[in-house]
Amino acid sequence: GAVVSQHPSWVICKSGTSVKIECRSLDFQATTMFWYRQFPKQSLMLMATSNEGSKATYEQGVEKDKFLINHASLTLSTLTVTSAHPEDSSFYICSAWSPGADTQYFGPGTRLTVL
Amino acid sequence: GDSVTQMEGPVTLSEEAFLTINCTYTATGYPSLFWYVQYPGEGLQLLLKATKADDKGSNKGFEATYRKETTSFHLEKGSVQVSDSAVYFCALSERGSARQLTFGSGTQLTVLP
Repeated sequence: GAVVSQHPSWVICKSGTSVKIECRSLDFQATTMFWYRQFPKQSLMLMATSNEGSKATYEQGVEKDKFLINHASLTLSTLTVTSAHPEDSSFYICSAWSPGADTQYFGPGTRLTVL
Repeated sequence: GDSVTQMEGPVTLSEEAFLTINCTYTATGYPSLFWYVQYPGEGLQLLLKATKADDKGSNKGFEATYRKETTSFHLEKGSVQVSDSAVYFCALSERGSARQLTFGSGTQLTVLP
């Protein structure tokens, strides 16, 4: 299947700093990417839908000013956690939607730990 | 709204045992149904899918049949291997597209040699 990469795979930062996570579709163009958050032993919670060239659509309860999403190209979407706090510590997963395959391809995830 | 309910884990089996992971759904329309697998340290991978009632998805020895009458999509495998140890997620999407997925809570499977 198609490959989606995420960088970094893990990051530790101090409270109050910002962290950027990249999501890349390596072998297809993705007009739509998704950002999920996964808590330990829980399912994936959709945070936002990222559309290339337009503003992201955020799910209810997700602060758009805290979780900034940019989808500047057909192969790259970024999630920036601004002024991170310990409660933002989580596993963040992105996916890229392939309309041709009608399938979401997932990245390996990024473990964020805020001290 | 749409929802997916999976059997709670963790599930621990011996190698070559039979596996069933139950999944039921609630949806207003005619969803497509999916099983994803997440191996340790990796992203989710599509395991199999079914897009209409009575369809059977299959892959790597796993099977699931779309049962509209019972709103279920149970995952089965006749003989599990240690390498099948992973977290399994049932999911649905409305309107037959995987563009917007609703996930179940996931079931951790551990297979012992």
